[in-house]
Amino acid sequence: ETGVTQSPTHLIKTRGQQVTLRCSSQSGHNTVSWYQQALGQGPQFIFQYYREEENGRGNFPPRFSGLQFPNYSSELNVNALELDDSALYLCASSRVGGGNEQFFGPGTRLTVL
Amino acid sequence: EDKVVQSPLSLVVHEGDTVTLNCSYEVTNFRSLLWYKQEKKAPTFLFMLTSSGIEKKSGRLSSILDKKELFSILNITATQTGDSAIYLCAVEARVRSQGNLIFGKGTKLSVKP
Repeated sequence: ETGVTQSPTHLIKTRGQQVTLRCSSQSGHNTVSWYQQALGQGPQFIFQYYREEENGRGNFPPRFSGLQFPNYSSELNVNALELDDSALYLCASSRVGGGNEQFFGPGTRLTVL
Repeated sequence: EDKVVQSPLSLVVHEGDTVTLNCSYEVTNFRSLLWYKQEKKAPTFLFMLTSSGIEKKSGRLSSILDKKELFSILNITATQTGDSAIYLCAVEARVRSQGNLIFGKGTKLSVKP
């Protein structure tokens, strides 16, 4: 069984730039959720994708957007980067109807200068 | 506003000690409570609790949920240095967003040899 993978591992961007983060869900999982974890904080829910559609969203502005592909992998896009966007971005996959456990990937560390 | 509060925020113990980590929550439309262990990046799933009073156990770790008093505890007996990590409590709620997890800030556990 393949676990959740994310790329890249680390990323450095400057204010105003755009970034795309990628996530491959665990085998057999059809739902992907994205979280932002600032230093010293718990992860905060950004949004969730199921069947290639956004299935719920947290308190994040529209410059945070995403996609899910037919193979259930997903992208998180952030436009007009701000310094406060510096964080660990975690992707979690789960299976609708298979319990609510979400399994996390190793994350992408984004630094905005 | 939904919230999850963990205590203590940090804890230092010696190998062999028993620790109890606390998690209280105020969440509408509660569905489940989950515990995760975060060592470097990816939170790893420990337990999911949905029913009050039923203890879940895995080796030296155990957890129980009280839905009347809105809290959960995670116990670790005979602690080892490998237990050093941040322990995250999360509640799944179905308010505006389906299936998202609301996390506490975590408890940082340090086990000294």
